[in-house]
Amino acid sequence: DIVMTQTPSSQAVSAGEKVTMSCKSSQSLLYSENKKNYLAWYQQKPGQSPKLLISWASTRESGVPDRFIGSGSGTDFTLTISSVQAEDLAVYYCEQYYDTPYTFGAGTKLELK
Amino acid sequence: EVQLVESGGGLVQPGASLKLSCVASGFTFSDYWMSWVRQTPGKTMEWIGDIKYDGSYTNYAPSLKNRFTISRDNAKSTLYLQMSNVRSEDTATYYCTANPGVFAYWGQGTLVTVSS
Repeated sequence: DIVMTQTPSSQAVSAGEKVTMSCKSSQSLLYSENKKNYLAWYQQKPGQSPKLLISWASTRESGVPDRFIGSGSGTDFTLTISSVQAEDLAVYYCEQYYDTPYTFGAGTKLELK
Repeated sequence: EVQLVESGGGLVQPGASLKLSCVASGFTFSDYWMSWVRQTPGKTMEWIGDIKYDGSYTNYAPSLKNRFTISRDNAKSTLYLQMSNVRSEDTATYYCTANPGVFAYWGQGTLVTVSS
């Protein structure tokens, strides 16, 4: 199985701050034939289901604010929130869909400083 | 609007069986592969498996393959998860999702608690 490692596990932030979180995979998620990275990011707020934010490592879903930026390739990926808003306080998960079983990271929890 | 509504969860004894359902609406159910994903009380997310749009193929996480079965009824726009010989470690919220891999749509989840 591909192991997904997210750091940090939690992060205290203030509104307006720039935030970055990391996701590393135990093997490359870059498919050579189409040059795509099979990596997604999800946001889960308390009491809610996960919400897809980004697929293909950097493609935002429709309606996702442009302050959410996904980047990286191969085994190292980053989710950046350019200016954190109060409504962004949540747990963020990365997930690989390069191969089954699809696997998730343990999450990064954003908390208020 | 896409809606996925899970049901069938509850308190179940170790070793018992349980069948979860997920009713879909707002999209053409029979066009989509579907998946089940679960989240433990400690918030660990685990993909359980998926099923092809016509029900002809299923794929499971190896650790669950022998105890869990996914099926669907396209006429009823309903996805199922049959769980057998449940264990305490199966305690989780079970989510129905569409489009395996890139899980674009999620239900609200149904909680399964395995305890004597």
